[in-house]
Amino acid sequence: NAGVTQTPKFQVLKTGQSMTLQCAQDMNHEYMSWYRQDPGMGLRLIHYSVGAGITDQGEVPNGYNVSRSTTEDFPLRLLSAAPSQTSVYFCASSDKRGRWFFGPGTRLTVL
Amino acid sequence: GENVEQHPSTLSVQEGDSAVIKCTYSDSASNYFPWYKQELGKGPQLIIDIRSNVGEKKDQRIAVTLNKTAKHFSLHITETQPEDSAVYFCAVSSGGSYIPTFGRGTSLIVHP
Repeated sequence: NAGVTQTPKFQVLKTGQSMTLQCAQDMNHEYMSWYRQDPGMGLRLIHYSVGAGITDQGEVPNGYNVSRSTTEDFPLRLLSAAPSQTSVYFCASSDKRGRWFFGPGTRLTVL
Repeated sequence: GENVEQHPSTLSVQEGDSAVIKCTYSDSASNYFPWYKQELGKGPQLIIDIRSNVGEKKDQRIAVTLNKTAKHFSLHITETQPEDSAVYFCAVSSGGSYIPTFGRGTSLIVHP
C-alpha cells in the first residue's frame, strides 16, 4: 500500500491564480480531510469528507473548495490564491477506529 | 467546539532523560486521544493513542495517561534518544465523527 499520497510536493503561485492539490489513498478509508499547518498554529482543519459525495467545512474553509467523487481521491482547490494561503497542506484519511494517516504534505507559496 | 491546549511549546532534554508533554481539553464527550509525531519535512504519524475507558497505555518507551475527570492527558517518553527529536501533537475527538482537534504542538529537542 502506498498509503496517502499528495501531489505536488512544492508549488509557487502568483496572487489570483488557481490550482488543485491532489490527494489519494489506497486503504479504502471512508473519512478524508485537509489540514493546513502554519508556524505556531498547529494543524487546522480546512474541509473533510465522511464518504464519497459527502463533504463538510472545517475551521478555516474560506478560499478552498473540495469534492469527493470517489473513495480514493479528495482534491483541494484554491479558487484565487492569496498570500495568506502560503502554508503546508496535509491530506489525511482515517480508518474505522478513528486513526488518521497523513500524506507527506504540499508546501505552497503564494507571491 | 473543542478546545485543546498543549504545553510546553518547546522542550529541551538531555539524551537519556524523560520528557512529558501535557494536553487539556474542554469537551467532556471526547473519548479518543491520539498522539502524533512529526519529523522535519514529513507528515504527522500516529505513535500512540488511548480511549476513554483506559487510564494508561504503554508502548516500549512511550506511554500516555488520561485523567477524564480533570480533562487532561499526557505523553511520557522515557530514556530519550536524539531520534525522538520532533514535533509532537496531541489530538482529541469524539466517537461518531472521529474528526480530531489538534493541539498546537511541542517541539522536543534531545541533546546527545
